[in-house]
Amino acid sequence: NAGVTQTPKFRVLKTGQSMTLLCAQDMNHEYMYWYRQDPGMGLRLIHYSVGEGTTAKGEVPDGYNVSRLKKQNFLLGLESAAPSQTSVYFCASSYDWYNEQFFGPGTRLTVL
Amino acid sequence: GIQVEQSPPDLILQEGANSTLRCNFSDSVNNLQWFHQNPWGQLINLFYIPSGTKQNGRLSATTVATERYSLLYISSSQTTDSGVYFCAVVLSNDYKLSFGAGTTVTVRA
Repeated sequence: NAGVTQTPKFRVLKTGQSMTLLCAQDMNHEYMYWYRQDPGMGLRLIHYSVGEGTTAKGEVPDGYNVSRLKKQNFLLGLESAAPSQTSVYFCASSYDWYNEQFFGPGTRLTVL
Repeated sequence: GIQVEQSPPDLILQEGANSTLRCNFSDSVNNLQWFHQNPWGQLINLFYIPSGTKQNGRLSATTVATERYSLLYISSSQTTDSGVYFCAVVLSNDYKLSFGAGTTVTVRA
């Protein structure tokens, strides 16, 4: 089992460019999440999904969109990147809110 | 107010020493996890422990849910234990996993 995988691992964007981060899990989990981690801080929830075809806003959703077309995949999009979105992005999955969450390796994004 | 507090913020250990990290939370919890973030940024699951005690090798954890705290014990520390340790909880009046600010552990040879 690969667990939770993320692509790409690193990316540099210019202000105003767009991109999509891909998360995939092979544990048949219903719930999937996108977090961001800024220097010296814990992770904060951007968006989440409780099943295929569903998405919802988390703690810091502004500037991001998400889609969950297949149960195993969760996409995070930046339509017009800003320097404030420079961060490390983590994807996670779990059976539900109260069960253990498993995290991917992260994507380091720099917006110039 | 702060929902998840970790202490101490920083810890420097000599190889072979033991240590205790603490996580206090503001309400009853439905989920509590301990993570180790290594120097390469990878988040590693250590324990899923909303209550009780668990052990995994040199690491063990105890959560006393009624008193709203959890402890992570590191015994016979090694340099590979260096990194940031995060506590994260799902409070009973919330839906999301909330992270503490972390404890940065440095183990010196």
